[in-house]
Amino acid sequence: DAGVIQSPRHEVTEMGQEVTLRCKPISGHDYLFWYRQTMMRGLELLIYFNNNVPIDDSGMPEDRFSAKMPNASFSTLKIQPSEPRDSAVYFCASSPDGAYEQYFGPGTRLTVT
Amino acid sequence: GQSLEQPSEVTAVEGAIVQINCTYQTSGFYGLSWYQQHDGGAPTFLSYNGLDGLEETGRFSSFLSRSDSYGYLLLQELQMKDSASYFCAVFGSARQLTFGSGTQLTVLP
Repeated sequence: DAGVIQSPRHEVTEMGQEVTLRCKPISGHDYLFWYRQTMMRGLELLIYFNNNVPIDDSGMPEDRFSAKMPNASFSTLKIQPSEPRDSAVYFCASSPDGAYEQYFGPGTRLTVT
Repeated sequence: GQSLEQPSEVTAVEGAIVQINCTYQTSGFYGLSWYQQHDGGAPTFLSYNGLDGLEETGRFSSFLSRSDSYGYLLLQELQMKDSASYFCAVFGSARQLTFGSGTQLTVLP
């Protein structure tokens, strides 16, 4: 298997623009997680899905963030409008059973200027 | 809520043994996971302790004491490639991982 795939790997955008991050989980994995990693706040869970249904979005920072999973092989994380404080590495991870072993994608490094 | 504490930095020499400690406070605890992350890379799973005691996987071992809310990762026969950040993470009743702030391990020649 190719592992978790994320795109783009790097994104540089200006404040106020819309940003869409994409993730393809490992085939057969029922759980998908979105994380954000910064030096200040570490690795934070934003939202996770089970069988394409959002289960817990309490980590989503504010209404500017939204996530969807229209099918088992694709998820998006959207930020609209983006702000400089959103600059971070965003990871997508998947798991076959929502357990302690999660498989992370390579991440998207987002820079908002 | 959940909180975890681990040292921010550890330094050791090649071939040595190093222990990275993790203490946690949580409601709804299932187990403790450990992840490794190299600079610029993604976290990768190392080990999990759902029960008290020691779990061994090659050069790496992990220990858990539920009564003490404490665990550690033990790395033996250190190699240069082990230089990375190591995260403990609580796996809780919400089926989520809550990560610690990470320990930067530097292995010196």
